[in-house]
Amino acid sequence: NAGVMQNPRHLVRRRGQEARLRCSPMKGHSHVYWYRQLPEEGLKFMVYLQKENIIDESGMPKERFSAEFPKEGPSILRIQQVVRGDSAAYFCASSPASGWYNEQFFGPGTRLTVL
Amino acid sequence: AQTVTQSQPEMSVQEAETVTLSCTYDTSENNYYLFWYKQPPSRQMILVIRQEAYKQQNATENRFSVNFQKAAKSFSLKISDSQLGDTAMYFCAFMRTDKLIFGTGTRLQVFP
Repeated sequence: NAGVMQNPRHLVRRRGQEARLRCSPMKGHSHVYWYRQLPEEGLKFMVYLQKENIIDESGMPKERFSAEFPKEGPSILRIQQVVRGDSAAYFCASSPASGWYNEQFFGPGTRLTVL
Repeated sequence: AQTVTQSQPEMSVQEAETVTLSCTYDTSENNYYLFWYKQPPSRQMILVIRQEAYKQQNATENRFSVNFQKAAKSFSLKISDSQLGDTAMYFCAFMRTDKLIFGTGTRLQVFP
């Protein structure tokens, strides 16, 4: 049973470009969470999605950031017009169900560098 | 809002010794979960141990154990018989509803 997969592992973009980060949850998991880790900091929650629905986006910046989890295919975190401050590691986690406890299994992360 | 505080940015311990990492949190909730995650240089997030707030018994996983003091809102991690492979960042985290809230981490270095 493959774990949570994220690609690419490393992504370099120039200021103003778009970044697309992909996350394939574990088999049987329909809940996806995105977290951002700035250098030398802990992970910060961004968004929680179920298939075709955004459940909680309270941690998403108001502009330039969007996320989706379509019926088919991976979850996508999209950052438009990237700026240097977007450089961070972006982690995806998945769980089999919702509720106040279901273990979240983390992917290896995507490290975004904005030049 | 819930917050998680790790007051030790860095710790070091000699191999085979015991070390304790501190974590405090703030919440008005009664039922929740607490976690310790390890992040080695590979940056993969690895769950070390979890504690359910409604359980009084402290969780234990092999060499890892916690001291959970609910009234004091304290959740420390004890690593016994430290090994070189324990060198990593350690994050304390809180969960009430689906999202995890992390502390800023403690960098642990295990010396031979």
